[in-house]
Amino acid sequence: KQEVTQIPAALSVPEGENLVLNCSFTDSAIYNLQWFRQDPGKGLTSLLLIQSSQREQTSGRLNASLDKSSGRSTLYIAASQPGDSATYLCAVRFAGTASKLTFGTGTRLQVTL
Amino acid sequence: IAGITQAPTSQILAAGRRMTLRCTQDMRHNAMYWYRQDLGLGLRLIHYSNTAGTTGKGEVPDGYSVSRANTDDFPLTLASAVPSQTSVYFCASSVLASSTDTQYFGPGTRLTVL
Repeated sequence: KQEVTQIPAALSVPEGENLVLNCSFTDSAIYNLQWFRQDPGKGLTSLLLIQSSQREQTSGRLNASLDKSSGRSTLYIAASQPGDSATYLCAVRFAGTASKLTFGTGTRLQVTL
Repeated sequence: IAGITQAPTSQILAAGRRMTLRCTQDMRHNAMYWYRQDLGLGLRLIHYSNTAGTTGKGEVPDGYSVSRANTDDFPLTLASAVPSQTSVYFCASSVLASSTDTQYFGPGTRLTVL
């Protein structure tokens, strides 16, 4: 079964700290992997999309990496800010599943002052 | 540009009642999707549509139906609601362009079935 796992479920860090969120997936045959942000009571906002042929993508203080062979992706957040507090979701588009995304259950991040 | 709109924002519904959740996008995306989000289970795909006139079943389709009469609208219908359908429902859309396909999400509908 194709699954996506995110550990830990929750994380609290002090402001200014660099942090890494982890995502693992069970099948290395993927089209792409996407990281989303979800604020409480809101929809999902796409942060970064890494295509199967790519190793990483960067946007501002965010950097996402992809290692298909090991079934892992990381989202690196530099110099964290209280405004980064949200739930971060990883989603994988596995090969052969058309446009279907398989989501992890997310990591709830709190950045404290 | 509104992106994706969903209605209603929230709803409390008696079990056995019929309910249609509305979703409209103005980005002329080919594909649209319905997900439900439950605590501890993440988002799960209910139904999807790759283009107007076609639909497909996702991971948890039972008890739900969809239609795609045109590009912009993708309503989700619960024919006879049950308490296990209490959830937050998200509609999404995408261009459907192979490996660069990014899904864009609406704000969600919080549904409570009593």
